[in-house]
Amino acid sequence: AQTVTQSQPEMSVQEAETVTLSCTYDTSESDYYLFWYKQPPSRQMILVIRQEAYKQQNATENRFSVNFQKAAKSFSLKISDSQLGDAAMYFCAYRSRRDDKIIFGKGTRLHILP
Amino acid sequence: DTAVSQTPKYLVTQMGNDKSIKCEQNLGHDTMYWYKQDSKKFLKIMFSYNNKELIINETVPNRFSPKSPDKAHLNLHINSLELGDSAVYFCASSQPGPPFFGPGTRLTVL
Repeated sequence: AQTVTQSQPEMSVQEAETVTLSCTYDTSESDYYLFWYKQPPSRQMILVIRQEAYKQQNATENRFSVNFQKAAKSFSLKISDSQLGDAAMYFCAYRSRRDDKIIFGKGTRLHILP
Repeated sequence: DTAVSQTPKYLVTQMGNDKSIKCEQNLGHDTMYWYKQDSKKFLKIMFSYNNKELIINETVPNRFSPKSPDKAHLNLHINSLELGDSAVYFCASSQPGPPFFGPGTRLTVL
């Protein structure tokens, strides 16, 4: 069975600095999706970034980028120029292309220090 | 123009009651889900439907019964509510790709 591990329950970063959230996953499949979601205190789940496993190029969305290492089964999220509004829970998620199951990590709570 | 909507957003009820949460999506997606988020923020899949057909049924007590009248709707009915059912329940929909989530329903069982 697939698993997703986020080893950092909490992290803090100074405003305007860069922070990296780690995520590793375990799967025997070769084709899948990976996502990062942000959950602010409003509890809405917001898609931050997505990566398709067959694409070697790392995804980027403005200040958010990923470091996708397929062989190492690692999918870290880098947030550049951190802003106060980035404070939230961040979830890494895996989706198999074979079935519709989407599995989430336990989340990392990110604090932004002014 | 809400993509995935859930009602109600908050639900407070007594132990032993039966309650329902409704979900609708206007994205034209074939797949819909129910997730449970516990007090530690852990998101666990409960059910998945594809075009009204049950695809995933995780180890959820049979007091929980999903129902999909059409591919745009997936409701969740819970019988004989227990204290441990208190959580936030999220509906989501997707095509191949990322799921889009509803705003969540915070269920509190007293």
